[in-house]
Amino acid sequence: DGGITQSPKYLFRKEGQNVTLSCEQNLNHDAMYWYRQDPGQGLRLIYYSQIVNDFQKGDIAEGYSVSREKKESFPLTVTSAQKNPTAFYLCASSVTMNTEAFFGQGTRLTVV
Amino acid sequence: KNEVEQSPQNLTAQEGEFITINCSYSVGISALHWLQQHPGGGIVSLFMLSSGKKKHGRLIATINIQEKHSSLHITASHPRDSAVYICAVPLGGSQGNLIFGKGTKLSVKP
Repeated sequence: DGGITQSPKYLFRKEGQNVTLSCEQNLNHDAMYWYRQDPGQGLRLIYYSQIVNDFQKGDIAEGYSVSREKKESFPLTVTSAQKNPTAFYLCASSVTMNTEAFFGQGTRLTVV
Repeated sequence: KNEVEQSPQNLTAQEGEFITINCSYSVGISALHWLQQHPGGGIVSLFMLSSGKKKHGRLIATINIQEKHSSLHITASHPRDSAVYICAVPLGGSQGNLIFGKGTKLSVKP
């Protein structure tokens, strides 16, 4: 089945540790995105990638890093510089930046 | 200023009722998205529309580009429709770089 897989669904980390969230898609999409969702707020764009080996900062990129070494994969690293990392993180992909996006199931990160 | 406003924020309905969720936006757009988020968090894209009306099963989405307004309707609502419904519009020409509303939490009681 084609789709977007995020893992794990729940993730716990100690404050000060970096953590990497996985996002894999087998839809052959060029574009991939990472969003963050906080209670009572709309989703906000962290980073996006239009094509392999290219990525751009979104609205709230500080404290995050990404890589796009393969078309299928767009991992997000939450670094210790991110002041409020506890949130729900959603990955999405689309054929191109101008076509409809498809979303993963999300990863809920809790930093204690 | 929120560029995408949804109303109501919360909605409780009885099974079978007709539901309407509204979305207003301030930016010029080429298309608008309606998304559904279930309690587990995963998001499903319901509609992407740029004009008129689209229908899928019991869901109907309409958009008025001139008035910068869209509505999502659910006919014969069912408890399994309980979810958060989110409206989103693209930033610039990119359908993937979206501005999201805060969502409408719908609860349908049996």
